[in-house]
Amino acid sequence: GAGVSQSPRYKVTKRGQDVALRCDPISGHVSLYWYRQALGQGPEFLTYFNYEAQQDKSGLPNDRFSAERPEGSISTLTIQRTEQRDSAMYRCASSRVRGRPDTQYFGPGTRLTVL
Amino acid sequence: AQSVTQLDSQVPVFEEAPVELRCNYSSSVSVYLFWYVQYPNQGLQLLLKYLSGSTLVKGINGFEAEFNKSQTSFHLRKPSVHISDTAEYFCAVSVGGSQGNLIFGKGTKLSVKP
Repeated sequence: GAGVSQSPRYKVTKRGQDVALRCDPISGHVSLYWYRQALGQGPEFLTYFNYEAQQDKSGLPNDRFSAERPEGSISTLTIQRTEQRDSAMYRCASSRVRGRPDTQYFGPGTRLTVL
Repeated sequence: AQSVTQLDSQVPVFEEAPVELRCNYSSSVSVYLFWYVQYPNQGLQLLLKYLSGSTLVKGINGFEAEFNKSQTSFHLRKPSVHISDTAEYFCAVSVGGSQGNLIFGKGTKLSVKP
């Protein structure tokens, strides 16, 4: 079956604009994770869903960042009033089970550049 | 707070030579450990994982890793590398009892030369 997909793959925006990044997980996967990866760093946890419920948003940097997964499948990460420091690779992952560690399957990522 | 340290940012090695990529973690509770690989312009792919049981874990593409609780390490090894192993490798930990979000190291770039 298809893997995790993310769109767009590349996004260039101007400072102050809002952006929406989409993640389509593997069908049937319960848990969905968002990570951010700066250049030369490992991915950093942002937020996490079980089905449609956001379980943990402690990694979101500030209130300009929000995420939703309204029907328990596709998720959208929204960044309002983008700043240059938001430039990074945004990665989405999904896993089959909840409540315990399991293999996370990653999408190709969205490269966000804020000018 | 939990953290993962990958001591080597870059490891150059010749084809068919052995390689070890080092990973240490800090946690006072039980952990689950993972190695992911990222090929150029691709997403992260799981190489292997330690959840419980045998401390020697075998993964895809001939890689293996050994969980050492006393040294809080999970080093990745391969006895003979290929050009196609050139990639960036990430060690990650998920703390026992958590919901499963991963804490990653900064990554090690493995460069295999002919």
